[in-house]
Amino acid sequence: GQNIDQPTEMTATEGAIVQINCTYQTSGFNGLFWYQQHAGEAPTFLSYNVLDGLEEKGRFSSFLSRSKGYSYLLLKELQMKDSASYLCAVRLNDYKLSFGAGTTVTVRA
Amino acid sequence: SAVISQKPSRDICQRGTSLTIQCQVDSQVTMMFWYRQQPGQSLTLIATANQGSEATYESGFVIDKFPISRPNLTFSTLTVSNMSPEDSSIYLCSGMKVETQYFGPGTRLLVL
Repeated sequence: GQNIDQPTEMTATEGAIVQINCTYQTSGFNGLFWYQQHAGEAPTFLSYNVLDGLEEKGRFSSFLSRSKGYSYLLLKELQMKDSASYLCAVRLNDYKLSFGAGTTVTVRA
Repeated sequence: SAVISQKPSRDICQRGTSLTIQCQVDSQVTMMFWYRQQPGQSLTLIATANQGSEATYESGFVIDKFPISRPNLTFSTLTVSNMSPEDSSIYLCSGMKVETQYFGPGTRLLVL
């Protein structure tokens, strides 16, 4: 089976930085995705890492260490609209995605 | 990127009936998938929709309950058959294009 762990909830203040960690143990690995999902909506693609290192996209950055089975999503300059669930997903060798349970981020004024 | 639409967006159905969900992608995608998201939970893969052949189902999901079609590279359907209240969920279509996987808006299903 696949094991993907991420914290259940995180709370941060508007303008702050939050780091969401994801650790994984899977039968294969073909990349790691981060998605944002607002309540009642579909997941929206944020980032994709297949090689080790940091990928930066505006206020969002994602890091991957394949040897450690570890990734994080960094959200900078938090805004109220960033309140959402953030899903870590590992793509397996057959291109299927295996999802973590999701981290609910609440941004407070 | 790929833009994915689904119909219907939501439905309320009686137990024992069936519902077919349609998924349309605005451009060709290499792979299409169907996921289920139960209330308060993350996404679970139901099956991979294969063009012109039978879908590949994950453990716990069977063709008789969730028949899937994919007649071409941009369209797929998922049928939820002989529904029970336990089938109440959000069903999401997904397509893979150039290494990235995109999701449709989902179909919210409530079975009474």
